[in-house]
Amino acid sequence: DAGVTQTPRHEVAEKGQTIILKCEPVSGHNDLFWYRQTKIQGLELLSYFRSKSLMEDGGAFKDRFKAEMLNSSFSTLKIQPTEPKDSAVYLCASSDRAAETLYFGSGTRLTVL
Amino acid sequence: QQQVRQSPQSLTVWEGETAILNCSYENSAFDYFPWYQQFPGEGPALLIAIRSVSDKKEDGGFTIFFNKREKNLSLHIKDSQPGDSATYFCAASGTNAYKVIFGKGTHLHVLP
Repeated sequence: DAGVTQTPRHEVAEKGQTIILKCEPVSGHNDLFWYRQTKIQGLELLSYFRSKSLMEDGGAFKDRFKAEMLNSSFSTLKIQPTEPKDSAVYLCASSDRAAETLYFGSGTRLTVL
Repeated sequence: QQQVRQSPQSLTVWEGETAILNCSYENSAFDYFPWYQQFPGEGPALLIAIRSVSDKKEDGGFTIFFNKREKNLSLHIKDSQPGDSATYFCAASGTNAYKVIFGKGTHLHVLP
């Protein structure tokens, strides 16, 4: 079985640009999560979808971050406009039982100049 | 209330020793505690987990000891190997099972 696939692995953006990160969850999983990982803040939940419905939109991340689930096998995270403080690793995870076991992708490392 | 704290931040042990990683939490409503292992360039992967009704969980060389009264738990890695060198995250969740709260991690270095 294929795991969670994230593309691209690395992204470099200029301040103010729009970037779109992509995620393909494990086939058959109903729950999809977007996390941001930094050394200082650790792992922070950005968005949570259950059966394609947005259940959690990340509170403080709402204004410039938008996650969408186009179908059960594809999700995107748009950051618009990007700021240098957005530099981090963005992780996508899926689960078949509400986060009891999270299956993470390898992440996208975003650098905003 | 929502925090999960891990110590130490970094731990170095020799091959064959038992590594002990500590975790504490504040929210009494947490009832599920997974530990995730992360290697550089990869996402975290579930290693072992325990529910608050148990006080010990073993899986291979990994053991979780859980103390509900003290609100802390520890992960023991027996006979550590260089391949166990990674970052280990303690996490917790409760009523809202999807809201997994992660600790900041412990970087484990196992020296040959």
